[in-house]
Amino acid sequence: DIVMTQSPDSLAVSLGERATINCKSSQSVLYSSNNKNYLAWYQQKPGQPPKLLIYWASTRESGVPDRFSGSGSGTDFTLTISSLQAEDVAVYYCQQYFNTPPVTFGPGTKVDIK
Amino acid sequence: EVQLVESGGGLVQPGGSLRLSCSASGFTFSDYAMHWVRQAPGKGLEYVSAISSNGGSTYYTDSVKGRFTISRDTSKNTLYLQMSSLRPEDTAVYYCVRGWGGVGDFWGQGTLVTVSS
Repeated sequence: DIVMTQSPDSLAVSLGERATINCKSSQSVLYSSNNKNYLAWYQQKPGQPPKLLIYWASTRESGVPDRFSGSGSGTDFTLTISSLQAEDVAVYYCQQYFNTPPVTFGPGTKVDIK
Repeated sequence: EVQLVESGGGLVQPGGSLRLSCSASGFTFSDYAMHWVRQAPGKGLEYVSAISSNGGSTYYTDSVKGRFTISRDTSKNTLYLQMSSLRPEDTAVYYCVRGWGGVGDFWGQGTLVTVSS
């Protein structure tokens, strides 16, 4: 199975500032035939189920604010929140769906307000 | 509006059994693969089981193979997870997830399973 790692484990960012979360896969999740990265990001607020934010590494799900962006390719990916809002306090998970099943999740990164 | 409503969780003794249900509405159930993902208290997400859109293919993570059975009833728009020989380490919130290609685009609110004596 592909192993996903994330860094940092947690971070605290001032309101309006940028938050950056890194995700690394143990093998490439880029499928050469379609040039797509099989990488998704989820947001989980306290007491709620996870919510899909981004898929194909950089495509925002419908309704997701444009302050959320995803980038990267191959084995290294980044989720960026360009201007942190209070409602963005959550745990963020990356997930690969290149070798599925199973999908595998990263351990999560907790984002708080400084 | 897409809705996934899980039920069937609760407190069960080690070695016991439980059947989780997930009632789906707001979309064509038979068009989607469905998944169960669990989250132990204070922990991350663990992929448990999956079933293809037509029910012909299933997947189980190693730790539940031989103990859990996933199934679906298209006539009832319902997903199931039959769990037996439950262990304390199965304690978690179990989420029903609609998926496409491995992406979970809609998650239920979850149902808590507690395995304890």
